[in-house]
Amino acid sequence: DIQMTQSPSTLSASLGDRVTITCRASQSINSWLAWYQQKPGKAPKLLIYKASSLESGVPSRFSGSGSGTEFTLTISSLQPDDFATYYCQQYDTYRTFGQGTKVEIK
Amino acid sequence: QITLKESGPTLVKPTQTLTLTCTFSGFSLSTGGVGVGWIRQPPGKALEWLALIYWDDDKRYNPSLKSRLTITKDTSKNQVVLTMTNMDLVDTATYYCAHWNAMTTEDYWGQGTLVTVSS
Repeated sequence: DIQMTQSPSTLSASLGDRVTITCRASQSINSWLAWYQQKPGKAPKLLIYKASSLESGVPSRFSGSGSGTEFTLTISSLQPDDFATYYCQQYDTYRTFGQGTKVEIK
Repeated sequence: QITLKESGPTLVKPTQTLTLTCTFSGFSLSTGGVGVGWIRQPPGKALEWLALIYWDDDKRYNPSLKSRLTITKDTSKNQVVLTMTNMDLVDTATYYCAHWNAMTTEDYWGQGTLVTVSS
């Protein structure tokens, strides 16, 4: 099974901050990685697919990078709507999600 | 506009079989490059992928749960059904269905349905 490890688990940041979340895979997944945003009581929302492709309608302050086993999600300037939990998901072999990163207000 | 909605029991007893239905609109499961998957999330915990059925009836299951899961589709009704046998307390979760397409991944999700396992 492919394991996905996100860091940090919780991140405290202020409006306008640049935020970076890391996701590591236990083996190479090429670029088969997605990032989701989830708010309490809501379904996850797709932000990034194929490691760096921005889903239609997602603000350009979100970006993804990486390949192989190490990936990052970056929010260039944190906005009020961005406080949420973020999950990475590999879809190279079946699917596995990371444990999530909660972005909180500092 | 793609929409999905999960339906099924809110409460099941341990050892029972859970049957959930995903009813969708805005796409057809007979179209190439399309699928519907199921994902669950225990309260306060991370997402866990369960199963995926493709337009050509190919199926994929989470290896850890494969023996308990069955996914089927009814193209004429625009529905996908997931059954999970031998339910346990740890299966208490919100269950989501999601549209998959070959160009992205799971991109549209239903609102989710909370299933509680309790005697």
